[in-house]
Amino acid sequence: GAVVSQHPSWVICKSGTSVKIECRSLDFQATTMFWYRQFPKQSLMLMATSNEGSKATYEQGVEKDKFLINHASLTLSTLTVTSAHPEDSSFYICSASRTRLAGGETQYFGPGTRLLVL
Amino acid sequence: AQKVTQAQTEISVVEKEDVTLDCVYETRDTTYYLFWYKQPPSGELVFLIRRNSFDEQNEISGRYSWNFQKSTSSFNFTITASQVVDSAVYFCALSERGAGGGNKLTFGTGTQLKVEL
Repeated sequence: GAVVSQHPSWVICKSGTSVKIECRSLDFQATTMFWYRQFPKQSLMLMATSNEGSKATYEQGVEKDKFLINHASLTLSTLTVTSAHPEDSSFYICSASRTRLAGGETQYFGPGTRLLVL
Repeated sequence: AQKVTQAQTEISVVEKEDVTLDCVYETRDTTYYLFWYKQPPSGELVFLIRRNSFDEQNEISGRYSWNFQKSTSSFNFTITASQVVDSAVYFCALSERGAGGGNKLTFGTGTQLKVEL
């Protein structure tokens, strides 16, 4: 159990376009989902925390108008990179956990989406 | 603020050697959780273990073992008889209560393990 999928796995787009990435928990209900960004040979940087039915909480320095997050159901969260530019090229990873309580619930990660903006 | 330090950037071993990956953490919380994740070249993070701050028992799972020492704020990971398939980046992480609810993970910088024949 605890499988998380992401779609698409790869996306190449032109500068100025918007890209939507989906994150789904396949066999459990995820009250909380997280979006991370990872540059080559670096650690994961948390971008935002997404709770079902409410607005996402963004980390300091992350533009909420640039990275739109929607968590419409207990199994789906989406990240939209609006007006993408080459500096947005990165590896985007989502994770999901079962509860929003402070119980150290395990986060299960999706396979990631590699975005290349030309 | 919470912090996780993985001082070893890269480790290379020969297959069948034992290898220990170090993790040192800082937190003011009395209740916290520690995690290890494996990231193979494919990119997907694979969950390996979760340990809460009240449980200092060492754990063994097959060739993997973990040593939690609260006195030194360390949570080290040992792979016994390493195999080529163990080659990956390993991340240690510490949980804290996030502003958005749920546990927010603070990751270390990762240790790249290369196991060669």
